[in-house]
Amino acid sequence: EAQVTQNPRYLITVTGKKLTVTCSQNMNHEYMSWYRQDPGLGLRQIYYSMNVEVTDKGDVPEGYKVSRKEKRNFPLILESPSPNQTSLYFCASRKNLQGVQETQYFGPGTRLLVL
Amino acid sequence: LAKTTQPISMDSYEGQEVNITCSHNNIATNDYITWYQQFPSQGPRFIIQGYKTKVTNEVASLFIPADRKSSTLSLPRVSLSDTAVYYCLVGAPSGSARQLTFGSGTQLTVLP
Repeated sequence: EAQVTQNPRYLITVTGKKLTVTCSQNMNHEYMSWYRQDPGLGLRQIYYSMNVEVTDKGDVPEGYKVSRKEKRNFPLILESPSPNQTSLYFCASRKNLQGVQETQYFGPGTRLLVL
Repeated sequence: LAKTTQPISMDSYEGQEVNITCSHNNIATNDYITWYQQFPSQGPRFIIQGYKTKVTNEVASLFIPADRKSSTLSLPRVSLSDTAVYYCLVGAPSGSARQLTFGSGTQLTVLP
C-alpha cells in the first residue's frame, strides 16, 4: 500500500531534550516536506527536500533541522525543543515531474507536546 | 506565491450542494489550482485539481472562470462525513521548488 508513515504518532517531552520524528514513504517520491499545523494558522511548511541531499527552508524553519540521506526517509530533528514547538506535524511527499502539479500525499501526523 | 482567500467557515445540510469559492487574484500563468480536504487529526488529502474551465471527478467539480482569478469547489449532495476543512492552493508545476502554501482553509460543517 502506497503510504507515508510517521513515528511517533504522539510524543510528550520536556524543553531542551533533543528529539527526532521520522518520516518514510514507499512511493519513490523525490519531493518530501514537513509541515506544522496550529489552530487558526493552517499548515505551514517547515522544510522541504527536492531530492536526496537537497533540502531547503520553508516558511517556519527556526528551531528545526532535517536531513535527506535516503530517498524514502526525511527525519525532522528538534535539537532543543521549546514549548512553542508544541504542534501537530505532518510529513508529505510527491513526485517531481516537470510541467504538472503533482498531488502531495500526507502522513497521519505526529502530535507533539513540549513541556 | 499566489495568495488565496477563502471563507473561514460554511454550514450546509445533508443532501445539499456546497460551493466553496477561493480568490487568487495574482495567479501566475503556469499555476495550477488544487483543493485538499482535511479531517480532524488527519493529514490533508487531494480532492481535485484544475488549470482552467471545469474539471469533474467522482468526488467534486472545480469551476475556473476565464480570468482564473478565482475558483469554486462544488460538492454535490453533501453528507455528514463531508464535514472537514477544505484548502485551496495555487502553485506552479512540481518541477519547481517550494510552491504550495496552505492557507487557513474553509471549515465546512454539514448538519443533519
